[in-house]
Amino acid sequence: KAGVTQTPRYLIKTRGQQVTLSCSPISGHRSVSWYQQTPGQGLQFLFEYFSETQRNKGNFPGRFSGRQFSNSRSEMNVSTLELGDSALYLCASSLSGHTYEQYFGPGTRLTVT
Amino acid sequence: KQEVTQIPAALSVPEGENLVLNCSFTDSAIYNLQWFRQDPGKGLTSLLLIQSSQREQTSGRLNASLDKSSGRSTLYIAASQPGDSATYLCAVKESGETSGSRLTFGEGTQLTVNP
Repeated sequence: KAGVTQTPRYLIKTRGQQVTLSCSPISGHRSVSWYQQTPGQGLQFLFEYFSETQRNKGNFPGRFSGRQFSNSRSEMNVSTLELGDSALYLCASSLSGHTYEQYFGPGTRLTVT
Repeated sequence: KQEVTQIPAALSVPEGENLVLNCSFTDSAIYNLQWFRQDPGKGLTSLLLIQSSQREQTSGRLNASLDKSSGRSTLYIAASQPGDSATYLCAVKESGETSGSRLTFGEGTQLTVNP
């Protein structure tokens, strides 16, 4: 079974631009969560989508948004990029229900210059 | 607010040693705890998942224990190898209507196993 895939793997953007990252979950997984990882803040939860609905949201500004499609694939968008948005963005997928293991993708490394 | 702490932050050991990584969390209302491994610049690899009703889980040379009431978990690595060098992260999934699949992570323990 294929794992979680994320595209693109690396991205360089300029301040003020916007960016869209994509995540394809493991087949059959309907929950997709996004995390931001930086050296200073560690891993922080951005949001979770389940059955095309945002189920949970972390403490990030409204510039960070996401969506999920009917095939469970998810995208996250960051508008008006800031230097501080440079990070590794990870997505995770799992089966529905609280007891299931979460599986992470390889991440997208975003650099904002 | 749930807080997860991992001790030590970094650990360097000679090959062959048995070692213990520690994780503590402030709110015992959790569904489960998951240990991950992360190699530099890579994603997270799930190592072990312990449900709140379980005391321990084992996979090969890895053994993780959970004491929910005291808010502690340990990851035991037997006969460490250079290939075990990585950052080890623990994460808890809180119980509660609004938690969904949200995981709260510790800062990680950076492990170096020297040949």
